[in-house]
Formats: sequence, C-alpha cells, structure tokens
Amino acid sequence: AQKVTQAQTEISVVEKEDVTLDCVYETRDTTYYLFWYKQPPSGELVFLIRRNSFDEQNEISGRYSWNFQKSTSSFNFTITASQVVDSAVYFCALSKYSGAGSYQLTFGKGTKLSVIP
Amino acid sequence: EAGVVQSPRYKIIEKKQPVAFWCNPISGHNTLYWYLQNLGQGPELLIRYENEEAVDDSQLPKDRFSAERLKGVDSTLKIQPAELGDSAVYLCASSADTSYEQYFGPGTRLTVT
Repeated sequence: AQKVTQAQTEISVVEKEDVTLDCVYETRDTTYYLFWYKQPPSGELVFLIRRNSFDEQNEISGRYSWNFQKSTSSFNFTITASQVVDSAVYFCALSKYSGAGSYQLTFGKGTKLSVIP
Repeated sequence: EAGVVQSPRYKIIEKKQPVAFWCNPISGHNTLYWYLQNLGQGPELLIRYENEEAVDDSQLPKDRFSAERLKGVDSTLKIQPAELGDSAVYLCASSADTSYEQYFGPGTRLTVT
C-alpha cells in the first residue's frame, strides 16, 4: 500500500519568513512520481511540481524549492520569503504504477499555511 | 488554454433528492477523474476514465453513485438518492496521461440538508 504523511496540520508564519512543509511517503515501488499541489481559499487545486523517483535533484522555481531524498522517503517543500498570497492548503501526492499502463495518485491530508502580514 | 470546467459551483439539496455534476476536461486530455474531498482531507479518487471507459471505479459507491463520459469528453457524476454524508466537494481533474500531473477544476460544493 502507498501512503503520504504530512505531519504538519497547520503552520503560521510572519510575512517574509521562510517555511518548510514536510512530506514523507511510503511505497515499495522503484518507479513512482511525487507531486505538490496548492489549494487556495478559492478551492481549486493548483499543480506546482512533478518529480519522478529517478531524479533526486533539488529544484528551485522562484521562491519555491523542493528537496527530494529517497533515503528518507521525503519530498519537502520550502517557500522563501513567504507572502500573504502563499496562504493556502498544500498537498503532497504520490503516484505509483497500478497496472495496465496506469498510475494511481494518493494525496496526503494537507498542510494549511497561514502567512500573517 | 481553458482549464477544467465544472458546474455547478455550489448545490444545496434535501436528502433523498438526486443531484448531478458536470465536468469538461482540458482539450486533448484523455484521462478524466472524479474525486471526493471532505473538509480537512485530501482528495480521494471516485472514478477514472480513459476516453469513454471507466477503468478504475473501485471507490465509487455504486448503490447510489453513477458516472458517464459520453464521447470521451464531458463527464457527469450523479448521486441518487443523496444522503447527509455526501456533503463534500466534488472535484473533476484531467491529465494527458495517468503518470502526468492532473489539472483540477474548481469543484462543486454539495450540501445535503
């Protein structure tokens, strides 16, 4: 079975602080994909990043960065110099092969980030 | 490029009434998903379509839920009859392939009274 754990239910930071959202996953597969989604108060899930299990390079996109470590089964997400617009629920998700050429996506329970002005 | 479109955005019905949700995926996306999201939880898959075929409906409560995707484009999810516990957000998503990122619609917030 696959599982995604986001241990931080809620986080509050003051604007301009850096914040890291943790994600730990469980899978026995060697080929899988990891994702982060943002869900602002409007409700629509917004895709942020996709990472395959063979690519452990960290990635940076503007103020966002992701740290993928297979040794600890973690895929953490850092926001640098947080802004009020970053306030949202962030979901980590794991996609593993489910047969017949298909992948199945499992979401964590999400971390609610509040950035205080 | 237009995103995933869903309607209605909000629906309030009395228990035992039927309800239907509609989804139009991103053009060219063959894979379509319906998810259920309860408050404080991540989305949970209800059903996945590859073109017109429902290839994963193991989590769909088939006694009251049904779905269709005629012509492999738009899809409709129906609940009949609705129960109080069905109150949730119903999300539609689409992707070019199941290993690729999914793009989500704004969801339909259902309240059953």
